[in-house]
Amino acid sequence: DQQVKQNSPSLSVQEGRISILNCDYTNSMFDYFLWYKKYPAEGPTFLISISSIKDKNEDGRFTVFLNKSAKHLSLHIVPSQPGDSAVYFCAASVAYKLSFGAGTTVTVRA
Amino acid sequence: KAGVTQTPRYLIKTRGQQVTLSCSPISGHRSVSWYQQTPGQGLQFLFEYFSETQRNKGNFPGRFSGRQFSNSRSEMNVSTLELGDSALYLCASSLAGEGYTEAFFGQGTRLTVV
Repeated sequence: DQQVKQNSPSLSVQEGRISILNCDYTNSMFDYFLWYKKYPAEGPTFLISISSIKDKNEDGRFTVFLNKSAKHLSLHIVPSQPGDSAVYFCAASVAYKLSFGAGTTVTVRA
Repeated sequence: KAGVTQTPRYLIKTRGQQVTLSCSPISGHRSVSWYQQTPGQGLQFLFEYFSETQRNKGNFPGRFSGRQFSNSRSEMNVSTLELGDSALYLCASSLAGEGYTEAFFGQGTRLTVV
């Protein structure tokens, strides 16, 4: 039962432009949402999180938006840089358990 | 401050064997979680331990088990290995007092079952 879904397996964006990654979830009990970035042969690295009581959180080039009524969150990366090329995982938390989406591979073109 | 350490990094086992993976969390972190990553499946939650107690468990068969020691180090065991158990196994640690805190991941153990 996939409670967190990332429907776009890949995204290609030009350097300097905005990257928008999307994530949908089904469990209304999730209380925290997170984005992780993963390079090959490394473990995921935390990027940014948002509590379920907020609708926006910003950290430098990264902004996460949460729409609870639509059970949808998104990650905006502005401007995109070559080092942003990686797999991005959306995750949601309840009861000490993180549920992850399948990931979106982002490629930033020069 | 040292990160999360997983050993071994790579492992090749034969069907039917058992395997034990180890995870040393960041100093001071008391919560350890385990995840399985396979191509196209993302990360699947296995279980979470806090102060030597399992607080949550994912939908995996009983062949997958774990434990946590008093120093917060954790081990994961898989018995009667199947080909489908080939995956990257990731461990994550967090402070995890009350409420959720950010999890830090190790580099993982790549298990290949032949």
